[in-house]
Amino acid sequence: AQSVTQLGSHVSVSEGALVLLRCNYSSSVPPYLFWYVQYPNQGLQLLLKYTSAATLVKGINGFEAEFKKSETSFHLTKPSAHMSDAAEYFCAVSTKAAGNKLTFGGGTRVLVKP
Amino acid sequence: DAGVIQSPRHEVTEMGQEVTLRCKPISGHDYLFWYRQTMMRGLELLIYFNNNVPIDDSGMPEDRFSAKMPNASFSTLKIQPSEPRDSAVYFCASSSPTLQETQYFGPGTRLLVL
Repeated sequence: AQSVTQLGSHVSVSEGALVLLRCNYSSSVPPYLFWYVQYPNQGLQLLLKYTSAATLVKGINGFEAEFKKSETSFHLTKPSAHMSDAAEYFCAVSTKAAGNKLTFGGGTRVLVKP
Repeated sequence: DAGVIQSPRHEVTEMGQEVTLRCKPISGHDYLFWYRQTMMRGLELLIYFNNNVPIDDSGMPEDRFSAKMPNASFSTLKIQPSEPRDSAVYFCASSSPTLQETQYFGPGTRLLVL
């Protein structure tokens, strides 16, 4: 079985500060890992994904995430927060064994303060 | 490509009424997923299809919920009879194995059952 835990349901950052969103996963086989972003009243949009290539993955809007197998983590970072980054962020895991099925974390809502 | 299309975007109905949500996946995608999002339970996978065949419906909450995919370009999620606790945002997503499990989400249908 696969699972995802996102630490912190809410994160508040100042504009220009580092954004760090934590995600830990559990999977018995090599995983695919994803970060999705959801803006208010919209669907989920893919930020980035890890699919067993480079462990440091760069995504859209200046976000990146690093896959650390030893820590079973896939934390999302952005060096400098922008007001437009205010949204909810979801980490998700999938495996071939799971048949294309994504398991989502509970989400982290990011508030950016001016 | 137009992306995943869902209709209606908003639905308000009274308890006991039948509700039908519609989804058109991205052309060429052979996986289709239905999710429900609520504040209390987060994102839940209800059911998913591969090549129009239901693969896993273990997330469908009750017999009041049913989903069909009569062809590769159309799916419905039906609730009959609807109840206030069904109020949620329902998302449809599609994917293809060649995309390494990346799912593309529609804008969602916001359902309110009074």
